[in-house]
Amino acid sequence: NAGVMQNPRHLVRRRGQEARLRCSPMKGHSHVYWYRQLPEEGLKFMVYLQKENIIDESGMPKERFSAEFPKEGPSILRIQQVVRGDSAAYFCASSITRASGASYEQYFGPGTRLTVT
Amino acid sequence: GQNIDQPTEMTATEGAIVQINCTYQTSGFNGLFWYQQHAGEAPTFLSYNVLDGLEEKGRFSSFLSRSKGYSYLLLKELQMKDSASYLCAVRALYNQGGKLIFGQGTELSVKP
Repeated sequence: NAGVMQNPRHLVRRRGQEARLRCSPMKGHSHVYWYRQLPEEGLKFMVYLQKENIIDESGMPKERFSAEFPKEGPSILRIQQVVRGDSAAYFCASSITRASGASYEQYFGPGTRLTVT
Repeated sequence: GQNIDQPTEMTATEGAIVQINCTYQTSGFNGLFWYQQHAGEAPTFLSYNVLDGLEEKGRFSSFLSRSKGYSYLLLKELQMKDSASYLCAVRALYNQGGKLIFGQGTELSVKP
């Protein structure tokens, strides 16, 4: 059973370019979360999506950032007009809803390390 | 507001026991998680507590007291490979799933 997959693993962009980060959740998982980890800082929640729906985007910057999880294909985190402060590791996680009430642990992908030059 | 506190770093000796504490103040609570993260890698799930008490899983145990807003992760028989960052995270109250609010992480160094 393949884990959460993210690509690219490393991405270099010049200031002003666009960055597209992709995430394929674990098989059978319908919940996707994006987190950002700045250097020397903890993981910060950005957005929570289910197929074709944004459930919680309270951690997303108001401008330049958007996310989607289409019916078919991976979830995409899109950053327009990148700035140096966007340099960070971006992690995607997925989880499954259990009717039994058992734990809803989130499984993390390997991350995309974005460097803005 | 949401606040999760854990020590920044700890050092312990191979073969010993170490306890990493975490205190939290959140507007909702629906479970507390511990993750391990090696440098440059993804966080990996270690444990989950939603009820008060101790959960044991091999060399790792996690404790929760909801009334005190307190948890700890206990690592026994420390090995060099346990050197990593340990992340405490609280799941905000939500109908299904729900975002995790992470602490800064505790960098554990295991010395020979």
